[in-house]
Amino acid sequence: QSVLTQPPSVSGAPGQRVTISCTGSSSHIGADFDVHWYQQLPGTAPKLLIYRNSNRPSGVPDRFSGSKSGTSASLAITGLQAEDEADYYCQSFDSSLSGFVFGTGTKVTVL
Amino acid sequence: EVQLVESGGGLVQPGRSLRLSCAASGFTFDDYAMHWVRQAPGKGLEWVSGISWNSGSIGYADSVKGRFTISRDNARNSLYLQINSVRAEDTALYYCAKDYYSSSSATFFDYWGQGTLVTVSS
Repeated sequence: QSVLTQPPSVSGAPGQRVTISCTGSSSHIGADFDVHWYQQLPGTAPKLLIYRNSNRPSGVPDRFSGSKSGTSASLAITGLQAEDEADYYCQSFDSSLSGFVFGTGTKVTVL
Repeated sequence: EVQLVESGGGLVQPGRSLRLSCAASGFTFDDYAMHWVRQAPGKGLEWVSGISWNSGSIGYADSVKGRFTISRDNARNSLYLQINSVRAEDTALYYCAKDYYSSSSATFFDYWGQGTLVTVSS
């Protein structure tokens, strides 16, 4: 049962900017737990994309950026490319469940 | 290079048991917590269980509590998941994931294996 809500899909033309929201509550994002983002290309394992709200691991293009405010977080992709077509998931820690939670997932389509 | 290789999945009848394994290499295994995350066919990611570097802290998702048992053998660089009384809803691809820390609720998963598929059906 996902407790982090994401839009099912977003789309954009090559070169455009898209954003994905991740809405939570006072038991995780609002409780000041960090938000992390993963990219899952078709048929592959998830890959860490953004950690601790806004940090990029080595090798992740700076076209990807993250932010967090209140009980929500967002992932932005600027200069959208065909290779960005994938599913994206946010993740945090839920203090009421004492466990980790993922977002519902968002499919990004490049038109 | 960090490598995580899962095994042990397959077709299993409802009510039976199976044990998943994850062989780790390319990093100092006993410095980090480890996790299992699953993904049902066509669905999203679900955290299943996590274990700290020394097995002193263990957690489970409510959906598996009482049926799943996570363990690790630091001498063998291996992570395990014992699944008992399997149900149809346990059908999923099970990923082994490395924690960024040794034990922290603020953590994230910096490396993932390719997964092992568990299919529950009679």
